[in-house]
Amino acid sequence: GEDVEQSLFLSVREGDSSVINCTYTDSSSTYLYWYKQEPGAGLQLLTYIFSNMDMKQDQRLTVLLNKKDKHLSLRIADTQTGDSAIYFCAESYTGGFKTIFGAGTRLFVKA
Amino acid sequence: NAGVTQTPKFQVLKTGQSMTLQCAQDMNHNSMYWYRQDPGMGLRLIYYSASEGTTDKGEVPNGYNVSRLNKREFSLRLESAAPSQTSVYFCASGTEAFFGQGTRLTVV
Repeated sequence: GEDVEQSLFLSVREGDSSVINCTYTDSSSTYLYWYKQEPGAGLQLLTYIFSNMDMKQDQRLTVLLNKKDKHLSLRIADTQTGDSAIYFCAESYTGGFKTIFGAGTRLFVKA
Repeated sequence: NAGVTQTPKFQVLKTGQSMTLQCAQDMNHNSMYWYRQDPGMGLRLIYYSASEGTTDKGEVPNGYNVSRLNKREFSLRLESAAPSQTSVYFCASGTEAFFGQGTRLTVV
């Protein structure tokens, strides 16, 4: 069945890089997403990658996709205290209406 | 530039009471969704609407009903609230899922 797994916590120092990892099971996934949720707010789409891509870079964010291992990662360069939030990995497929979310990784950034 | 608007933001219900959560989007999206978020469990899909006039069950539909009133609005109804429905409810629209701010519901 469909499943998305993430580690629950990550702690980094301000200025370091953060790498948040995710594994998924549905090989038919077409889109893979990263969302950010700040306290008391809804989820905000940060970036997404098509399954036929290996990497996507957007300013401080780099997404890497290893389709063979069904592994997705989000790297945040020069992590700031404002990056402290919960990050969700999610997958969906073309023509589908169900996006499957992981449980979220809580990122703590220490000053 | 509202995006997805949910009302109310907070609600406390007594067991057995009913209520409707409202959601509206102004992005002309066909698809709309209702999720619930519980600690450590990520988001679980309750119901979705692929387009105006259609609704389908998600992963956890029991105890809920939905109405896709028009292209803009998608409401979620709890007919007889139970403590297990205490959660944060999110409405979303569009393929990439633009989310509302959430409704924090407590059932006592």
